[in-house]
Amino acid sequence: QQQVKQSPQSLIVQKGGISIINCAYENTAFDYFPWYQQFPGKGPALLIAIRPDVSEKKEGRFTISFNKSAKQFSLHIMDSQPGDSATYFCAASTETSGSRLTFGEGTQLTVNP
Amino acid sequence: ETGVTQTPRHLVMGMTNKKSLKCEQHLGHNAMYWYKQSAKKPLELMFVYNFKEQTENNSVPSRFSPECPNSSHLFLHLHTLQPEDSALYLCASSRGLAGKYEQFFGPGTRLTVL
Repeated sequence: QQQVKQSPQSLIVQKGGISIINCAYENTAFDYFPWYQQFPGKGPALLIAIRPDVSEKKEGRFTISFNKSAKQFSLHIMDSQPGDSATYFCAASTETSGSRLTFGEGTQLTVNP
Repeated sequence: ETGVTQTPRHLVMGMTNKKSLKCEQHLGHNAMYWYKQSAKKPLELMFVYNFKEQTENNSVPSRFSPECPNSSHLFLHLHTLQPEDSALYLCASSRGLAGKYEQFFGPGTRLTVL
């Protein structure tokens, strides 16, 4: 019930391509869906987040698409750059769960020059 | 120093050692967290503190003992660890407890238990 399933585990994309990472959840009470980006030797950092009252949120080259009925959300990175190479985690939480963020397993993205 | 800092960055210890991890946040936040990050697994929330009070212990073995003397500092005391405890231990902080508050992570302590 509390799991967030993330795929793929790893992704290799050419520079300029589109990177797509998918997540699925079971708990319909989740109402906050952030994506975190983690570079080697660093802690995760919030990249972009969405709430279920909208189906899409865009910030620069990064877009979250949200499908409430399917209980899925995805991260799209347009015009992927080598500097985007990192591990990406989706997460979900509810206001009532307070601090608990449930994380996906992570996707290691490599963008080749 | 800005953000969330953690020391040491790397730690190697034997199973009979006692060591401590330190976390300090310079963001004026009220909530602090310990997470365990293992390869190819989701981040595991271990402990949560809010205004120095522990609000969550996610069934963590007693060989891990947290301490939060004030809202800016968080420690994780380690004793008689097992090799499977080897992982990256991340500290995080947030302004408050709720999904809407962004969690800011430190760089982590890479722990190896021999």
